[in-house]
Amino acid sequence: QKEVEQNSGPLSVPEGAIASLNCTYSDRVSQSFFWYRQYSGKSPELIMSIYSNGDKEDGRFTAQLNKASQYVSLLIRDSQPSDSATYLCAVEQKDTGRRALTFGSGTRLQVQP
Amino acid sequence: DAGVIQSPRHEVTEMGQEVTLRCKPISGHDYLFWYRQTMMRGLELLIYFNNNVPIDDSGMPEDRFSAKMPNASFSTLKIQPSEPRDSAVYFCASRGTDEQYFGPGTRLTVT
Repeated sequence: QKEVEQNSGPLSVPEGAIASLNCTYSDRVSQSFFWYRQYSGKSPELIMSIYSNGDKEDGRFTAQLNKASQYVSLLIRDSQPSDSATYLCAVEQKDTGRRALTFGSGTRLQVQP
Repeated sequence: DAGVIQSPRHEVTEMGQEVTLRCKPISGHDYLFWYRQTMMRGLELLIYFNNNVPIDDSGMPEDRFSAKMPNASFSTLKIQPSEPRDSAVYFCASRGTDEQYFGPGTRLTVT
């Protein structure tokens, strides 16, 4: 079982809709969670971080964390064609002292105009 | 801040040649990471440093790969000799307290 799992997609949504991206992780000691956006041919760009259970909102983006279910999600409201990219979920296991992030394989999002 | 700086941005070389990739982390960040990304394997961690000291190199594919961080503002990833299967995008990333930022990457093609 992979440590961080994401549906590879593509996830296709119409412009203006809500895009929901999901990520599950296997290690219960994971404590920090991040969402990166990667456009084709570009480097991953940090868009959200979340550390405690619940929701965290930043503009059109909302990150949701449920540690009991080992599940983190990213909602994108009012999706725009410019949101079309691959979204990478990353987790960190701070308790082990290891500061390296473990990345999922990413979900490709396509927003249709 | 200029962000993480990597050079060169593109490198094309022949099999057997030595390749050196360079990285300048964000000032004040004490963690530096080297990743490799391919379509088949996704984003793989190769090695990371804390305060210029290598902490985990378990992701380095084989002895042909080596990485150094002689000071807080510079790191290199060297491949010697290079092989076609090393073709990938190599990213450097740095991290301060919590958040990690990537450089623009070096696209390496080994023919």
